[in-house]
Amino acid sequence: GAVVSQHPSRVICKSGTSVKIECRSLDFQATTMFWYRQFPKKSLMLMATSNEGSKATYEQGVEKDKFLINHASLTLSTLTVTSAHPEDSSFYICSALNGSSQETQYFGPGTRLLVL
Amino acid sequence: KQEVTQIPAALSVPEGENLVLNCSFTDSAIYNLQWFRQDPGKGLTSLLLIQSSQREQTSGRLNASLDKSSGRSTLYIAASQPGDSATYLCAQFSGGYNKLIFGAGTRLAVHP
Repeated sequence: GAVVSQHPSRVICKSGTSVKIECRSLDFQATTMFWYRQFPKKSLMLMATSNEGSKATYEQGVEKDKFLINHASLTLSTLTVTSAHPEDSSFYICSALNGSSQETQYFGPGTRLLVL
Repeated sequence: KQEVTQIPAALSVPEGENLVLNCSFTDSAIYNLQWFRQDPGKGLTSLLLIQSSQREQTSGRLNASLDKSSGRSTLYIAASQPGDSATYLCAQFSGGYNKLIFGAGTRLAVHP
């Protein structure tokens, strides 16, 4: 089956620093990737849709200058949390649409971010 | 605004019971609906995808139904096992860009 990886799986950083999270589709090309955020015992909240070679589409209320998304290739999308603050601490999950099966999103294992 | 609601929020049952998890959605023009499993601190595993033209899907001990007219989907788990303990999420496709709108999930605990 299609595999999506995320790196790092867990990161702890100081307030004010920037953190980059990578999302890779390992065995398929993904023209579209999605970034979600999940708070403890809450559902996934879609942050943005990332399309290869174009600007990401952000959901209402998500700061695009705060959460920078780059989808430079068909297998890699990155989310950079800039000037991170404790309230940015969360579980970030990406998913990728398999180009040959547009209905199915394959999810990464998630990245736990803790900002001190 | 599209909303997906899951009931109950949490469920604890003894091993062997048959379970029904409920999901309701507000968008009657539903495209597809998908059920996922999430283990603590982990990503999502797709369980069943029901297309809008279908009424149900089955995989092993799992059966998911879709009733567009009432805006509901149910996930039926037969003969529950401790290994089924996880959070179960339903998500509605928001057409067009394949965006998924998630419910808050049902946390299931199956004890021996």
